[in-house]
Amino acid sequence: EAQVTQNPRYLITVTGKKLTVTCSQNMNHEYMSWYRQDPGLGLRQIYYSMNVEVTDKGDVPEGYKVSRKEKRNFPLILESPSPNQTSLYFCASNPRDRAGQETQYFGPGTRLLVL
Amino acid sequence: AQTVTQSQPEMSVQEAETVTLSCTYDTSESDYYLFWYKQPPSRQMILVIRQEAYKQQNATENRFSVNFQKAAKSFSLKISDSQLGDAAMYFCAYRSLDMEYGNKLVFGAGTILRVKS
Repeated sequence: EAQVTQNPRYLITVTGKKLTVTCSQNMNHEYMSWYRQDPGLGLRQIYYSMNVEVTDKGDVPEGYKVSRKEKRNFPLILESPSPNQTSLYFCASNPRDRAGQETQYFGPGTRLLVL
Repeated sequence: AQTVTQSQPEMSVQEAETVTLSCTYDTSESDYYLFWYKQPPSRQMILVIRQEAYKQQNATENRFSVNFQKAAKSFSLKISDSQLGDAAMYFCAYRSLDMEYGNKLVFGAGTILRVKS
């Protein structure tokens, strides 16, 4: 089954404790992205990757890091989480071709609470 | 930069009735994609319908249809014969075809749709 998986699905942590949210896709997609969803703001792109070892900032990258060492994986790293990073996070992927513009595969979301 | 605006934070509809959710966007591009996503309480993002800007014909998917007005930069979603399962948050989204934007989806703030029985 074609899917994007995220782990963990729920996480409560404390300010400053480094954490990683994993994202994996099994569709051999080139493009992967991270979004955060906040009330009244919709979803906003944090970082994206166009292929292995190619990553770039989205609209709200501050406080986040990413890596793309393998095509299927795109982890989101919070080196020193702060309460303003409490949010719902989505990983997404799609293929590079024109047809890939028509769709987007989303993970199930990770709800993060930073105390 | 592109922006997407959903001016209705909440909407209500009676079961079996029709409701229209509004979306406007701003762009200087001539070709792009527009989407409506549904997010039920499970928080899963579900694609409802998509429209490519160069296609004049409005997209339809069963009970869901759009009114795409390119000149007005408007992309509304009409849900006919509303069902209880349609209750959700609905997001309008824009995608540029320019790879400079990294295949990004730009989302509106969302509209909560409540369906009354």
